[in-house]
Amino acid sequence: DAKTTQPPSMDCAEGRAANLPCNHSTISGNEYVYWYRQIHSQGPQYIIHGLKNNETNEMASLIITEDRKSSTLILPHATLRDTAVYYCIVRVMSGTASKLTFGTGTRLQVTL
Amino acid sequence: EADIYQTPRYLVIGTGKKITLECSQTMGHDKMYWYQQDPGMELHLIHYSYGVNSTEKGDLSSESTVSRIRTEHFPLTLESARPSHTSQYLCASMAGTSGNHEQYFGPGTRLTVT
Repeated sequence: DAKTTQPPSMDCAEGRAANLPCNHSTISGNEYVYWYRQIHSQGPQYIIHGLKNNETNEMASLIITEDRKSSTLILPHATLRDTAVYYCIVRVMSGTASKLTFGTGTRLQVTL
Repeated sequence: EADIYQTPRYLVIGTGKKITLECSQTMGHDKMYWYQQDPGMELHLIHYSYGVNSTEKGDLSSESTVSRIRTEHFPLTLESARPSHTSQYLCASMAGTSGNHEQYFGPGTRLTVT
């Protein structure tokens, strides 16, 4: 699996966009980029995933660079409830390879 | 909303006791997983299953065992609990169909062995 690198922590003011970076310079052509978050020791929650194209859903946007070596998760209007640890995971997701490896993630603190 | 359940949510038990942590899901998912997470630390995969009668050990060695007799049920057992087993245990599931990418997590069981 491709290794990911994330900053250990970030702060964001409520109402502003939170931009969480992830480096995955060894990513393979068939590996997806996944983002999950974990709020205060609850079970992790899926946010979004992508392969090559940028993706958007009701929670966030995922921007993947053209060379696919890095990506950014964007929470467009962060709220206090977005305070969590955010995990960037790179993985082939098919057949018997459907396992996720969680790293240390980025601890996002949203403040007033 | 994900329909994946774990019981008990909290368990305090003495050393040497046998315990079973329950995990069940009502989504008909083929794939199920157990993770272990110490406070403030990373999640580690300890067991997974891709269907009935299929179980595999995960990336982190664990003294626990699992079984998958029914699709919806994936219990984890510790034959003799020790203080080193104190941790949070998270269960997850995912559909087995191609193109499905989301793992759904349960609320977790926080285990304390005294």
